[in-house]
Amino acid sequence: AQTVTQSQPEMSVQEAETVTLSCTYDTSESNYYLFWYKQPPSRQMILVIRQEAYKQQNATENRFSVNFQKAAKSFSLKISDSQLGDTAMYFCAFSMIKAAGNKLTFGGGTRVLVKP
Amino acid sequence: SAVISQKPSRDICQRGTSLTIQCQVDSQVTMMFWYRQQPGQSLTLIATANQGSEATYESGFVIDKFPISRPNLTFSTLTVSNMSPEDSSIYLCSVGPGQNTEAFFGQGTRLTVV
Repeated sequence: AQTVTQSQPEMSVQEAETVTLSCTYDTSESNYYLFWYKQPPSRQMILVIRQEAYKQQNATENRFSVNFQKAAKSFSLKISDSQLGDTAMYFCAFSMIKAAGNKLTFGGGTRVLVKP
Repeated sequence: SAVISQKPSRDICQRGTSLTIQCQVDSQVTMMFWYRQQPGQSLTLIATANQGSEATYESGFVIDKFPISRPNLTFSTLTVSNMSPEDSSIYLCSVGPGQNTEAFFGQGTRLTVV
């Protein structure tokens, strides 16, 4: 079974600054997906970024980037130029790779507060 | 992409009663997933709903408490039975990620049991 661990329950950052969220995972699989999801108070789950384990290049999406260390089973998220709208819960998640319909295993979450 | 309509969005229920949550997907999908998010916590998978077969439950969740129906490839229901205050949570349905698709989530149902 896979496990996902987020060691930071809460992080605060000043607007326009950078914050890095940690995530480690455990799996015996060699091929899988890793995700970061954002959940604002509206409860909607929003995909921030996705990484395929077979890709060595770290994924980036505008102000969001990851540092994927496969051997260390580490998958951190960096939010650059933080904005007030980034305030939310952030969840790291793991899934296997099948043709369709994979379940997600979530970490415990990190609450991010962006201060003006 | 997929759009998932989940309802109700919230409900307040008396202990001992049952609530059925519905999820409608705008496209056919093989598997749907039901998650529970207890207050201030992460999402935990309840079960996987595969059309034409019984749902597969995760450890700690049982069919008598959380019966699931999956009558076709676009629809699923989750019932929370014989509710107690400990069942107060957000319940979300999801279509999981695939090789070339993202995961999609319903809007969630905030359940309060009094």
